Amino acid sequence: AAGVIQSPRHLIKEKRETATLKCYPIPRHDTVYWYQQGPGQDPQFLISFYEKMQSDKGSIPDRFSAQQFSDYHSELNMSSLELGDSALYFCASSTGLPSSYEQYFGPGTRLTVT
Amino acid sequence: AQSVAQPEDQVNVAEGNPLTVKCTYSVSGNPYLFWYVQYPNRGLQFLLKYITGDNLVKGSYGFEAEFNKSQTSFHLKKPSALVSDSALYFCAVRENTGTASKLTFGTGTRLQVTL
Repeated sequence: AAGVIQSPRHLIKEKRETATLKCYPIPRHDTVYWYQQGPGQDPQFLISFYEKMQSDKGSIPDRFSAQQFSDYHSELNMSSLELGDSALYFCASSTGLPSSYEQYFGPGTRLTVT
Repeated sequence: AQSVAQPEDQVNVAEGNPLTVKCTYSVSGNPYLFWYVQYPNRGLQFLLKYITGDNLVKGSYGFEAEFNKSQTSFHLKKPSALVSDSALYFCAVRENTGTASKLTFGTGTRLQVTL
């Protein structure tokens, strides 16, 4: 079965640089979520999109922005990177159906800021 | 705000023995509860969910969870543990505020199954 695809899998950036993470949801999933997981921590919600519109927003820094495109893939743009942004970034997807509220997670992008 | 708590950082069990990973929740309204498993350097894998209906929910890999409203608990169980079950387990609750509502995770419980 097709899963959520994230690219790149690993990314190394320097402070103050920018990064773009991409997410391709499971086919026919119309909802995308982004989470950040620091070392030894639980995933923290950043932002979500339903049908290409922002739906819910969590603790996402103003330096970060995201969007969902017409083909339902999503990109997380991160600017002025800080050392504290080093983390595992997960994308998840789901359908909007109440019977399918589970979110399916991608393998993550490990971002290292030096 | 909705939350879940996992009181144990680590659970140790011998292979073949039953296992329980505990989770309690705090929600307003009906809870939507989930269990996920995370293997090293991997994403989170969905195990099971409780939305409504039977209090005993069966999921992937032989796992099940029991929803207990009076105790506000949603403990993960498996009758016979395998070494390959060793991983990090997260309980999560879904905010019921919209179509694309977030999951709020517990702090995770590391399950260690030994021979």
